[in-house]
Parts: sequence; structure tokens; C-alpha cells
Amino acid sequence: DAEITQSPRHKITETGRQVTLACHQTWNHNNMFWYRQDLGHGLRLIHYSYGVHDTNKGEVSDGYSVSRSNTEDLPLTLESAASSQTSVYFCASSESVGTVYGYTFGSGTRLTVV
Amino acid sequence: SQQGEEDPQALSIQEGENATMNCSYKTSINNLQWYRQNSGRGLVHLILIRSNEREKHSGRLRVTLDTSKKSSSLLITASRAADTASYFCARNTPLVFGKGTRLSVIA
Repeated sequence: DAEITQSPRHKITETGRQVTLACHQTWNHNNMFWYRQDLGHGLRLIHYSYGVHDTNKGEVSDGYSVSRSNTEDLPLTLESAASSQTSVYFCASSESVGTVYGYTFGSGTRLTVV
Repeated sequence: SQQGEEDPQALSIQEGENATMNCSYKTSINNLQWYRQNSGRGLVHLILIRSNEREKHSGRLRVTLDTSKKSSSLLITASRAADTASYFCARNTPLVFGKGTRLSVIA
């Protein structure tokens, strides 16, 4: 069955380190998204991609970067981790541009920056 | 922020009762979606309603949309303990989510 997988599920890192969170989907979806979820803020969009080599900034993109070299993967990199980036990160994918279809979400990565 | 607001923030009901959650938004939409999130898990898409639709059903779920009032509601009928979760509305492209309603269904 097709799926969307995030790894690792949990990570603890130190302030200032570079961290990469992985997202891999086998749905063959063109669109992929990264959100962070924090108490009191709901889900906020970090970066998104509508296809290979396409990347776009979301509402809270500062300190994060993504690259899309193939359809299946959209890794999220924290260039220099900060305590404010402690959060739960969700990757999602969808079939088409626009919101005709719902998003499929991964199970999340809980990141703690100490 | 383009985030809408879900209301109430938290809701606690007895099993078998109906649960109603509301979502308000500020900008025009093409469609609006509802998602469920169980504790510690990712979001799951429940239902999508287009801007030219007023009501949509899926099993025990009923969604209404009033574009003149920029609001939507999600009704869960005959709730079960397994319906305990957070529920989010979302709209725009890419999706913008509200802060959610935490529903607790007590057996």
C-alpha cells in the first residue's frame, strides 16, 4: 500500500546543529508540504513543493530549507537549530495543485532542541 | 494570519450524543476541508465541501458551509469514544489550518 513516512519519529539535538528531517511518500503525489504544530498555534506551513525542483516558502520558513530532487522525497533541514524550533513536524502530500483532494499526512517527527 | 477559528476550543460530551464544531474564516474559498487528529498521530482527511455546496454527508459526519457568513460546521452524530480527537478545518492553497477543537467523548 502507498504511504508517507517520516523519520526519525523522535529526535533530540543541540542548539546550533544542522538537522534534517526526512519525508518519503510512495503515492506518486506531485505536491508535498511541511508543517509544524505547536500548542496554541495549530499547524503552520513551513515550506512546500509542487513538483521536482520546485520549492516555496510558507508562513514560518525562517531557519528552514527544503529541496526536491525527486517525486518521493522532501527533506526538511534546520540550518542551525534553535530552541524555538522545538516542535512536532508533519509532512503531507496531495495529488493535485489546488485543494480538490485532501492531504495525506505522515505520523510526525517530534524534535527537541536543547 | 489567514488562520480561521474553530469553536469551541474544547468539547466534552457523553457517548451517543451529537457533537458540533464550528469554523470561521476571513478570506474567500474554493472549498473547505475537515481533518481529525488522534493524540500523537498525523491528521486524517475527513471531508471536503466545495464553495457551491451547502451541505455534505459522510457516514456519521455532516458538514455545512455558509459562504455568506464565512463559516462551516462539522456535526458528528451518535458519537463514540473512538471519536475522541482534535478536529481541524482547513482552506486555501496550500492548506491553512485553524487551531482545532479538542473533542472528548466519555463512555
